[in-house]
Amino acid sequence: DTEVTQTPKHLVMGMTNKKSLKCEQHMGHRAMYWYKQKAKKPPELMFVYSYEKLSINESVPSRFSPECPNSSLLNLHLHALQPEDSALYLCASSQFQRGSTDTQYFGPGTRLTVL
Amino acid sequence: SQQGEEDPQALSIQEGENATMNCSYKTSINNLQWYRQNSGRGLVHLILIRSNEREKHSGRLRVTLDTSKKSSSLLITASRAADTASYFCATAYLDNYGQNFVFGPGTRLSVLP
Repeated sequence: DTEVTQTPKHLVMGMTNKKSLKCEQHMGHRAMYWYKQKAKKPPELMFVYSYEKLSINESVPSRFSPECPNSSLLNLHLHALQPEDSALYLCASSQFQRGSTDTQYFGPGTRLTVL
Repeated sequence: SQQGEEDPQALSIQEGENATMNCSYKTSINNLQWYRQNSGRGLVHLILIRSNEREKHSGRLRVTLDTSKKSSSLLITASRAADTASYFCATAYLDNYGQNFVFGPGTRLSVLP
């Protein structure tokens, strides 16, 4: 199974709402990632988890709060977002070998619209 | 910035022709990866080339890496309409915090039937 799943596929929320994005993989990967992608732009790395610990936070505003409850799951909690946060949010996973980098497998993404 | 640059930004070719996309980056890398993305969908991994490799093939894909010039190219031979997508290179490197990936701006490829 080389699939990364993400839910929901689409999400529309108001600026005062609290919502969560979910990501799941069953490939035994120990590194998981959140990316943000605006239209016609490349993905931008937001967070990296290695062995369920947050290892990289690319200066993301605190209204985005990641959580890795176990090695298969990755959540992104959203609160008080702004319209400019509307984007495609992509989750990815990879094997984690200390001292090297590996292929990332991406989910289909969640299309987020903030009104 | 470590971010790769890609050219061309957009490429339009006829079915059956070859498509070449280039990627440049700025600092040392562990490997470089190419991905394809159909409109508004997730990214599909195409090929990974390690910093000690110079060329790699996978089906109709050929990737080269020149670490002295900090550049890579992706060649798609005998293109098909289904190859229409955006193609991104991603440089992978390690820093004090762990694995890091930076994507180039991408090339939008249109293959006309």
